[in-house]
Amino acid sequence: GENVEQHPSTLSVQEGDSAVIKCTYSDSASNYFPWYKQELGKGSQLIIDIRSNVGEKKDQRIAVTLNKTAKHFSLHITETQPEDSAVYFCAASNPNTGNQFYFGTGTSLTVIP
Amino acid sequence: NAGVTQTPKFQVLKTGQSMTLQCAQDMNHEYMSWYRQDPGMGLRLIHYSVGAGITDQGEVPNGYNVSRSTTEDFPLRLLSAAPSQTSVYFCASSRQSVRGELFFGEGSRLTVL
Repeated sequence: GENVEQHPSTLSVQEGDSAVIKCTYSDSASNYFPWYKQELGKGSQLIIDIRSNVGEKKDQRIAVTLNKTAKHFSLHITETQPEDSAVYFCAASNPNTGNQFYFGTGTSLTVIP
Repeated sequence: NAGVTQTPKFQVLKTGQSMTLQCAQDMNHEYMSWYRQDPGMGLRLIHYSVGAGITDQGEVPNGYNVSRSTTEDFPLRLLSAAPSQTSVYFCASSRQSVRGELFFGEGSRLTVL
């Protein structure tokens, strides 16, 4: 099955700086890559996703890049704010062959005011 | 907007006891799933369902049973709880299986003594 690795496990940045979280995947057939944000005591929420037919996607301060050749994708958060502090999970799936998301191990992001 | 509702939020069990975690969604989603979240291990899929009457195993199904008698409900049963099942459990649903957004409940924290 798919194996998704996520780094770093913890990340602290100063407010206003950028944060980057990286994930790698093992199954070259995976073609959908969402990112979820989990705030303390809550369920995860989708913040951005990318499909394998594009290399980059942006939504305001958040962007995701995908390198299919290297099998890695990254989350970029610019101009970080304290409310960005949360645990972030990457995931991969191949809807053509299965019904499972494979999640990374999570990154705990702290934005220091 | 109720979304995905999980009960109970907290539960303490003794080894060998049984219990059911309830999950209900009001979005008419066909796909429902259960994850467990453990420190350093991310979200791991226990069981999932692609529609009423259909269930399948995920990555870590042992010790858990599920059923899907209606589109709305997807309960997770622990028949004989073990300390290794101490975890935070999340129910999630999706309209498009693993092609689109997962909507998560707020989680159920289970401790098995």
